[in-house]
Parts: sequence; structure tokens; C-alpha cells
Amino acid sequence: DIQMTQSPSSLSASVGDRVTITCRTSQSITRYLNWYQQKPGKAPKLLIYAASNLQSGVPSRFSGSGSGTDFTLTISSLQPEDFATYYCQQSYNTFHTFGPGTKVDIK
Amino acid sequence: EVQLVESGGGLVQPGRSLRLSCAASGFTFEEYAMHWVRQVPGKGLEWVSGISWNSGTVGYADSVKGRFTISRDNAKHSLYLQMNSLRAEDTALYYCAKDLDASWYVGQFDCWGQGTLVTVSS
Repeated sequence: DIQMTQSPSSLSASVGDRVTITCRTSQSITRYLNWYQQKPGKAPKLLIYAASNLQSGVPSRFSGSGSGTDFTLTISSLQPEDFATYYCQQSYNTFHTFGPGTKVDIK
Repeated sequence: EVQLVESGGGLVQPGRSLRLSCAASGFTFEEYAMHWVRQVPGKGLEWVSGISWNSGTVGYADSVKGRFTISRDNAKHSLYLQMNSLRAEDTALYYCAKDLDASWYVGQFDCWGQGTLVTVSS
């Protein structure tokens, strides 16, 4: 099984801040890594697929990078609507495992 | 506009069965793989099952293998999850999700429904 970790588990930030979330996997998944945003009471939303590809309709302040076992999601300038929980997910093997999530809230 | 609407959730006793449905609209349903993903309220996400565009291949999480069966009816634009021998640990919000690809192996979930809640309790 591929184990997923995310850091930090939560963070407080202000509007306009640059935010970086890290996802690490227990073995190399090349670039088979996706990022989702989930707001309370809502379904997850795909932000980034295959490590760095921005999903259609997602603002360009979101970006993804990494390969192998280390990946990052960056929000270049945090907006009020970005306060949410962010999940990484591997699609390298067919178990499609999700990370535990990173909650971003208002400082 | 892509829409996925789940139904069929509810309260069920341990050991009993339940069938979830997902009605799809706004895209060419028969061209894409589909999945079920669940979430215990307040907790993380767990992929449950996936099915290819033509039902040719399916996959399951180890936690549900042998108890759950995924299927689809392309003529009705619908996805299903038959859940047998339900356990307390199956209690969760069940989401229907569309894949970016025709194969469920790809596992990139670009559209989600709002979920249907399954509670397994005596």
C-alpha cells in the first residue's frame, strides 16, 4: 500500500499570503498526484491533476509541483474563498489513496 | 452543466443490504469511467470502487471487496453501488464521481455529486 502524508495538518493564514502544502508518499508515484479542495458541507473539487496540470476553471493562483515522493500545492495569494481543506490523492496504483488533508483557516 | 445526483442512502441494520444510485447529466456519460468515494463525516476521503466506460473492468477497495458491487447503465446515464453485508464501519457519505478518463485506473475525479448518507446501525 502507498501511504500518504500531508503537512501541515492545519495552518492559519491571511488573505494575500502565499501558502504551500506538502504531500509525501511512501514510494515513488512519478507524477500521479492530484489535489482537491473541499469546503464544509460541499463535495471535493479537483484543482490539480498529474502533479502540475491546472484543472479547467481553477484560478491560476493555484499551482502544483513535484515528482517521485514529494509534491507541493501552492496558493500564490490566498483569497477569502480559498479557506478550505485540501487533499492530495495518488492515482499511481488502483487504490487511489487520499492524504489525510490540510485545513487552511483564517488567521 | 455536469450534474451527478446520488440517492438510495439511509439507515440500515448491520448485515443488511442497500443499493445506491447516481443519475448523471450534462456530459456524455458513456465515454467516462465512474467511481464511488466515501467520507465519514468530519474525516477524510476513501476511494471505494471504480468502473470503466463500458463496464469492462471494475475495481474495489480491499475494505469492500466481496461485499460491494459497482455497475452502470449507459442507456439510463446511471451508476449504481450494491452494498451487501453492511458493517458499522461502512457508515459514511457516499459520493459519485466522474473520472477524467474512460478507464477507472486513471483515478482523476473531476466532477462529484453532493453525496448520499449511509448509516449502518442497529
